[in-house]
This record gives sequence, structure tokens and C-alpha cells, in this order.
Amino acid sequence: DGGITQSPKYLFRKEGQNVTLSCEQNLNHDAMYWYRQDPGQGLRLIYYSQIVNDFQKGDIAEGYSVSREKKESFPLTVTSAQKNPTAFYLCASSTRGRGNTEAFFGQGTRLTVV
Amino acid sequence: LAKTTQPISMDSYEGQEVNITCSHNNIATNDYITWYQQFPSQGPRFIIQGYKTKVTNEVASLFIPADRKSSTLSLPRVSLSDTAVYYCPGGGSARQLTFGSGTQLTVLP
Repeated sequence: DGGITQSPKYLFRKEGQNVTLSCEQNLNHDAMYWYRQDPGQGLRLIYYSQIVNDFQKGDIAEGYSVSREKKESFPLTVTSAQKNPTAFYLCASSTRGRGNTEAFFGQGTRLTVV
Repeated sequence: LAKTTQPISMDSYEGQEVNITCSHNNIATNDYITWYQQFPSQGPRFIIQGYKTKVTNEVASLFIPADRKSSTLSLPRVSLSDTAVYYCPGGGSARQLTFGSGTQLTVLP
């Protein structure tokens, strides 16, 4: 089945630790995105990538880092510099043709700082 | 940036038609207009996309005027299971795909 997979579903982190969230897609999509969602709020863009080895900051990139070494993978690292990392994180992918085309989302990773 | 504006919330009753309008600020010439539905603790799910005029699929219709400055998502005969958050993301030349706060639709019995 083609799709986009995020892992793990739940993640617990101690304060001061870095943690990496996985996002893999087998849809052959060029574009990939990371979003953060807080309770009762909308999606806020963290980072996005249109092609391999290239990515841009979104609205709330501070305290996060990404890499795009492979077309299929776009991991997100939540660093210790992120002051309030507890949130629901969503990854998405889409084709790179015309703008704002259909995006496919993973099921999300819920990160909790303990 | 191609930001969008939509109402924060809407209420409706089962069986009614619901129309949610979105304003598209600085929409890029080549951008489609897309709408998504999100249930709690799930990723958003694509509903419909269009470029101009009207598009209809099995779940919704999308109306886009000629100037493409707005769009209206129409859900016919809603049911309780249509209670969700609906988004009309912006794209733009930078291809950011920005979602915003969405519209919380609550369907009442």
C-alpha cells in the first residue's frame, strides 16, 4: 500500500534531550512537510522540503532541525532548544507540480516531555 | 505569503447543507484551491480541489468565483460524523502549504 508513515505514534522525552521523529513515504512525492498542532489549535508549519537535499524554514522552525537525504524520508529533530515541545506532530507529502495540490498526511506522533 | 482566512466555528443540524467560505489572500496563479477535513488525533484528510468554477465529488462541492479570491466548500445533508475541523490551506510561490486554524464544524442532532 502506498502511503506516509510516521513513527513512533507516542514519544516521551526528558527535558534537555533531543529526539527525532520519523517520516517515510512511498508515494514518490518530491515535497514533504512537518507541522505542529497544539490542543484545540490549527496546524503550524515547521519545515518543508521541495526536493532532496533542500529544505526551508516554516513559521515556527526555532528549536527544530530536519534533513532530506533521501526522497522517501524527512526526519524531524526536536532539540533541547525547543522550550515547549509537547505537541502533536504531523508529516505530509505532495507532488511538486502545480501549487497546493493534494497532500497526504501521516497519522502523527504525539510527543510529551516528562 | 498566501495566507487564507476562514470562520473559526460553525454549527449546523443533521440533514442541513453547510457552506464554509474561505478567503484566499495573494493566491498564486498556478495554485489549486484545496480543502481538508481533520478529526481529533488524526492527520487531515483531503476532501476536494479545484481551480475555477465548480467541482463536485461524492462528499462535497467546491465553488470558486472567477477572481479566485475566495472559495466555498459545500457539504450536503450533513450528519453527526461530519463534525470535524475543515481547512483551506494556502500555498503560494514558495509552496509552503500553510494550514491556519481551520473551521470547527459541529453538527447537532
